[in-house]
Amino acid sequence: GQNIDQPTEMTATEGAIVQINCTYQTSGFNGLFWYQQHAGEAPTFLSYNVLDGLEEKGRFSSFLSRSKGYSYLLLKELQMKDSASYLCAVMDSNYQLIWGAGTKLIIKP
Amino acid sequence: ETGVTQTPRHLVMGMTNKKSLKCEQHLGHNAMYWYKQSAKKPLELMFVYSLEERVENNSVPSRFSPECPNSSHLFLHLHTLQPEDSALYLCASSQEGGSSGANVLTFGAGSRLTVL
Repeated sequence: GQNIDQPTEMTATEGAIVQINCTYQTSGFNGLFWYQQHAGEAPTFLSYNVLDGLEEKGRFSSFLSRSKGYSYLLLKELQMKDSASYLCAVMDSNYQLIWGAGTKLIIKP
Repeated sequence: ETGVTQTPRHLVMGMTNKKSLKCEQHLGHNAMYWYKQSAKKPLELMFVYSLEERVENNSVPSRFSPECPNSSHLFLHLHTLQPEDSALYLCASSQEGGSSGANVLTFGAGSRLTVL
């Protein structure tokens, strides 16, 4: 079966760096997405990786290793507003999105 | 209005009621989706309308019935639901066939459904 694994919850300190991991086993691969979802709000698109390597967007970076079935989202200079759930999703060979259960990130002052 | 708008934001209904969830997108996208989001579970795709044709997930119970009258509007009709159907129902839209290759979803804020 197809599966996406990510930690259920993580805690980090304001100003620090946190890495949220995502591992996947899917039937084929057509890209990996990260979304951010604040409580009670819509998930919003953060990043898309289809080739190996690191993509940087301001304080957020996303890494992909297709051979290892692994990605991470790196958040630098954490701010209180980064408290949210982070959803990892992989597009399989049929262009269907397979979702992880999300990682709830708690930022402490 | 911009983006994807869902109404109502909160809905409480009994098991014998009939209600509908509404979604409207103002992005000119050609695909619309219904997702179910339950606590600590992955998003579950319920229905997809692509270029106004319906792609159905066969595991969705018939008490959920989608309707897509045009490319900007999507409804989810609810009838004789069960308490386990209580969840956040998210609508999303996307532009399929884009040049970037990334089918990025734009979500609405969701309709929180409670079935008593």
